Amino acid sequence: DIQMTQSPSTLSASVGDSLTITCRASQTVNRWLAWYQQKRGTAPKLLIYKVSILESGVPSRFSGSVSGTEFTLTISSLQPDDFGTYYCQQYNGDWTFGQGTKVEIK
Amino acid sequence: QVHLAESGGGVVQPGRSLQLSCAASGFTFGTFSMHWVRQVPGKGLQWITSISFDGTITDYADSVKGRVTVSRDNSKHTLYLHMTRVRLEDTAVYHCAREGRTTHLRSFDLWGPGTMVTVSS
Repeated sequence: DIQMTQSPSTLSASVGDSLTITCRASQTVNRWLAWYQQKRGTAPKLLIYKVSILESGVPSRFSGSVSGTEFTLTISSLQPDDFGTYYCQQYNGDWTFGQGTKVEIK
Repeated sequence: QVHLAESGGGVVQPGRSLQLSCAASGFTFGTFSMHWVRQVPGKGLQWITSISFDGTITDYADSVKGRVTVSRDNSKHTLYLHMTRVRLEDTAVYHCAREGRTTHLRSFDLWGPGTMVTVSS
């Protein structure tokens, strides 16, 4: 099975900061890579699918990219509503999530 | 409004069985593949099973294979999860999730809030 190593596990940031979360795959992964945001006590919300396509209604400050087996979620200017936990998810015959990155207020 | 709502969670003793339901509304349920994803409180997400739009194809995570059965009733717009011989490590919030179609394929574009299952004697 493909493992997704997500980092960092926790990130402290301020409103207006730019931040990057990465997921490194244990082997080559096709473009079935998605990112989710989860607020405490609620269901995950799809942000980005197929590596870099923004889900409808998601602000353009979110973006996704890939370099080799390293996938990246970037938030260009952190807003108060962006605090929460972020997960990557891949599909390559099996379904795997990253361990999550908790974005906290500095 | 598109919506998923799980039910059936609660406290169950180790070794017993449980059945969860997921009621769908606001979309053509019978045209989407559906999944169950669980989350141990304070921990990450774990995919456990999927079922094709017509119920003919199912898939299971190795960690639950042989103990879990996923099914659906498209006439009732409902997804089910049946788990036998439950273990302490099955304690989690169980979410149902819709797999997107076409460009959204292989991602989960709609989730339910989840139902909590606690395995305890």
